[in-house]
Parts: sequence; C-alpha cells; structure tokens
Amino acid sequence: DTAVSQTPKYLVTQMGNDKSIKCEQNLGHDTMYWYKQDSKKFLKIMFSYNNKELIINETVPNRFSPKSPDKAHLNLHINSLELGDSAVYFCASSQDQRFPGELFFGEGSRLTVL
Amino acid sequence: GQNIDQPTEMTATEGAIVQINCTYQTSGFNGLFWYQQHAGEAPTFLSYNVLDGLEEKGRFSSFLSRSKGYSYLLLKELQMKDSASYLCAPVDSNYQLIWGAGTKLIIKP
Repeated sequence: DTAVSQTPKYLVTQMGNDKSIKCEQNLGHDTMYWYKQDSKKFLKIMFSYNNKELIINETVPNRFSPKSPDKAHLNLHINSLELGDSAVYFCASSQDQRFPGELFFGEGSRLTVL
Repeated sequence: GQNIDQPTEMTATEGAIVQINCTYQTSGFNGLFWYQQHAGEAPTFLSYNVLDGLEEKGRFSSFLSRSKGYSYLLLKELQMKDSASYLCAPVDSNYQLIWGAGTKLIIKP
C-alpha cells in the first residue's frame, strides 16, 4: 500500500484551464502539506492542514485553493492556470504539526501548462 | 531572513567518501533534516539531528553544530545508486522545514 498517493502523476493542460490534484494518506497522520518544486529544485511549502484545518497558507495566488474533506485527504484545485504554474507538486504528511517529525511525500504530480 | 546554503553539485567516485555541507540561518531552530531525492522521484528521509554531534546510520552519517549553524552529510562506500540530490532542511521556530535547493551528487565509476 502506498503511504501517500497523489493523482494524477502527469498533467498537461492549456493556459486558462482549471485543474485539480488529489492526495490521500493512509498513515493516520494529522498533518498534510502541499509543496511546489520548480525547475530550480527548491521545495516551497504552499499549504498545510492539521486535522482538516488550514494552518499554513504561504503567499500563494488565490487561484490555488486547497480542500481537506477529512484528515486523510488534501486536494489542490488550481484556477486559470498560468505558464508559471508549471512545476512538480508534492503532497506530504507528518504525524503532528507541532513536532518536526519525518515528512512522507507522495510521488509528485508534474504539471505542464502550455 | 532564513537562508540555506549548500553546494549546487558535487562529483565523487564509486567506493569513495563524500561530505556534503550545509550552512543555515533560521528563525529559531528545532533540528535539521537531510533528505535524498532521486531524479523524478519524491524526497525520502535520511536523517534528523537536533543535538550537536554525529549520528551514524549505516553508510550515511549526519553531523550538526548548532552554534555554527552548520551540518554535513557523510556518505561512505559510495554506490552508483547514491547519485541523487541531497536536501538540507532545518526546522524553524514554527516547526516548518526550510528547504535548500539541494546538492546534486554525481557518482562516477
């Protein structure tokens, strides 16, 4: 069983479209994250949810909207896609937001905006 | 501000030893992680240091000096499969990991 799974793995779309990426973790963790890794390989945190509640919302365009229906799922919806949104988006989870425990990452979703 | 500094790229020979350095400046400190990331894959956990000193785990060891804002990852008996990026990530006062750009390690036969 994959601990953190995200779909789709690859997404190619046109500018202006809306797309979603889904993430699920079966580790029983309380905290989930969305990270963006650009072409320069920096991992930048976008959002963090603890038990379905938003706890981190970095400076991200409001075209990006996370949704956590329950603590095992954290989805990312992106409106009006732009060329600069092309990146790999990683979902991750950790046991507890207050303790800097190990992050478990999903395989990543490579988004290409044409 | 918060800053992580590690070499962009290093090359080493199979069977040798390599040390990847990381210096950091963060708002508060709650330990430091090292992650490995193979090309096209997700980062995977290697080590976590919160106290000064050396932590050894098989072929990999990680060292921390909090007073110097410095850590290194030591890889021994290098294998071709160790070719990957190595990410240094200190944890700040908000328990957030601050990621460096990583060091791309190339292993040659």
